[in-house]
Amino acid sequence: KAGVTQTPRYLIKTRGQQVTLSCSPISGHRSVSWYQQTPGQGLQFLFEYFSETQRNKGNFPGRFSGRQFSNSRSEMNVSTLELGDSALYLCASSITQGYNEQFFGPGTRLTVL
Amino acid sequence: QKEVEQDPGPLSVPEGAIVSLNCTYSNSAFQYFMWYRQYSRKGPELLMYTYSSGNKEDGRFTAQVDKSSKYISLFIRDSQPSDSATYLCAMSGDAGGTSYGKLTFGQGTILTVHP
Repeated sequence: KAGVTQTPRYLIKTRGQQVTLSCSPISGHRSVSWYQQTPGQGLQFLFEYFSETQRNKGNFPGRFSGRQFSNSRSEMNVSTLELGDSALYLCASSITQGYNEQFFGPGTRLTVL
Repeated sequence: QKEVEQDPGPLSVPEGAIVSLNCTYSNSAFQYFMWYRQYSRKGPELLMYTYSSGNKEDGRFTAQVDKSSKYISLFIRDSQPSDSATYLCAMSGDAGGTSYGKLTFGQGTILTVHP
């Protein structure tokens, strides 16, 4: 069974631009969570989607947004990029909403210059 | 104070040693406890998943949860150089409200197993 896939794997952007990251969950998994990983803050929860609805949101500014499609694939968007947004963005999938056994993808490494 | 505290190490042990990794937490609502392994430039890989207090064993790995002390541990027996990675503890509360899909992570412990 294929794991969680994320595209692209690497991105370089400049301040003020926006970026869209994509995540395809494990087949049959319907819940997708997003996390930001930085050396200073570690892994921090961004938001979770189930059935095309955001069910939970972490403590991040409104520049961070996401959506989920009917096939459970998810995208996250960061607008007006700042230098501090440079991080590894990880997507995790689980079977259903509230099911805490989460499986992570390889991440998208975003560098903001 | 962080909800989950984990000694970042680094921890260096010889091959074959028993490794003990630990996390403490402050949120008594946490019910689910996980350990992930993360190799450099990779996503975290789920190693152990436990609910509430008790022990769980899987091969060379044993996870322990003591909810009364708010303390969890991961033991690795007969450690191998391939175990060299960052180990992350993660926790979550019961489904509902602010717990939906949210794992709270420790900072991670960097482990090196040298031959």
